[in-house]
Amino acid sequence: DADVTQTPRNRITKTGKRIMLECSQTKGHDRMYWYRQDPGLGLRLIYYSFDVKDINKGEISDGYSVSRQAQAKFSLSLESAIPNQTALYFCATSDLFQGTDTQYFGPGTRLTVL
Amino acid sequence: GQQLNQSPQSMFIQEGEDVSMNCTSSSIFNTWLWYKQDPGEGPVLLIALYKAGELTSNGRLTAQFGITRKDSFLNISASIPSDVGIYFCAGLSGGGADGLTFGKGTHLIIQP
Repeated sequence: DADVTQTPRNRITKTGKRIMLECSQTKGHDRMYWYRQDPGLGLRLIYYSFDVKDINKGEISDGYSVSRQAQAKFSLSLESAIPNQTALYFCATSDLFQGTDTQYFGPGTRLTVL
Repeated sequence: GQQLNQSPQSMFIQEGEDVSMNCTSSSIFNTWLWYKQDPGEGPVLLIALYKAGELTSNGRLTAQFGITRKDSFLNISASIPSDVGIYFCAGLSGGGADGLTFGKGTHLIIQP
C-alpha cells in the first residue's frame, strides 16, 4: 500500500463550487504539505503543517484553506473554485531527521475548474 | 523568494548515453534533493544530499551537493528507456520552513 494517498485522483468541477482534496499518510510523519504544479512552473507550496495544531501559509495560499484533522490527515479546500486553480495538486509528508527534512509525495490530484 | 535555475529544460538523447543536469541558486540550501516524476504520478525521491561536497550514488544515478551550497548536479549513466521523465531538483533551507523550493524540471527524452 502507498505511504501517501490522495483522494480524489481526478476531479472536474465548476466555477464557484467548494472542493476538498484529501491526503492521508501511513509514514508516521509529523509534517505535511500541499503543493500545486502547473506546466513550466514546477511545484509551488500552498500550505504546510508541522503538527496537528500548526498551520502555515506557503507561497500561494490565497484562495485555499487547509485542515489538519489528525497527524495522518491533511485536507486542502477551495472555498469557491476558479478556472486558474486548474492544476495538479500534490500532498507531501516529511519528518525532521538528523536536522534534515526529506519530503515524500503522494500520487497527485488533477483538478479541472470549468 | 528563493529561486532555483535548473538546466537544461529538456534533453533528447540516445539510449546508452550519459546524462547530466544541474541546478543553481542565488541562496544557500542545507539540503538538496533530486526527484523524478512520471506522467500522472507524484515526484519520487531519487537522491538526498545533506552536506556540502557530498557525492552520493543510487545505482546509475550520481548527485553532488556543491561546495558553495548553491548548486547541485545529477548524472545518469548509460541511460535506458525507463529513465524517461521529468527530473526536479529541490532545495531546503533551515528546518523545513516554507517547504521545498523546486527547479522547473528537466524533461528527459530517450530515443531508442
